[in-house]
Amino acid sequence: DTGVSQDPRHKITKRGQNVTFRCDPISEHNRLYWYRQTLGQGPEFLTYFQNEAQLEKSRLLSDRFSAERPKGSFSTLEIQRTEQGDSAMYLCASSLASGARSNQPQHFGDGTRLSIL
Amino acid sequence: AQTVTQSQPEMSVQEAETVTLSCTYDTSESDYYLFWYKQPPSRQMILVIRQEAYKQQNATENRFSVNFQKAAKSFSLKISDSQLGDAAMYFCAYRSAGNYGGSQGNLIFGKGTKLSVKP
Repeated sequence: DTGVSQDPRHKITKRGQNVTFRCDPISEHNRLYWYRQTLGQGPEFLTYFQNEAQLEKSRLLSDRFSAERPKGSFSTLEIQRTEQGDSAMYLCASSLASGARSNQPQHFGDGTRLSIL
Repeated sequence: AQTVTQSQPEMSVQEAETVTLSCTYDTSESDYYLFWYKQPPSRQMILVIRQEAYKQQNATENRFSVNFQKAAKSFSLKISDSQLGDAAMYFCAYRSAGNYGGSQGNLIFGKGTKLSVKP
């Protein structure tokens, strides 16, 4: 079990630039989640995938945000035209879900810290 | 919508002592899961303990135990024999079970409690 891997760990960019983050889930996990965590707050849900299908998006996910999970493996989260308010830690988590009810916990990566200058 | 409230922004405990972290939640659902996650400084979030709402018995994991009061919508975490390595942010989280036509699978977190352990 190599755990959830996120890349890069840190990203500093100028306002208005586009950024892309990558998440590699635990290999057998079929669900993948993106969360955003700002300083002093708990993580907030952004979106999640079951295999390659994006099943839910939070209203926090504006049209500048897009996420993909091609082939149901790794996922990317892209933010276009970044704004100061996008500065946060972006967390990825994965879990193994079977059936409608699954109490399998989500395993988190180290996160990508985004700083907008 | 479901909400999770952690009313203690910071707590402190002496090494080897016991501390209890509070969590309350609001939901109209009857079937759900509750979790406590630990996030050490600059390190990844890890699961401490979980509770299934349909189980009356409180979950325990070594030095960690919960007091789950479903009617009161309360889910506190007790850490016994506190160790220096327990110092971290602790987040309480809620997740729906099954399909209520709404969110399925994503966690709803509280704002966290920062726990300090004094040697």
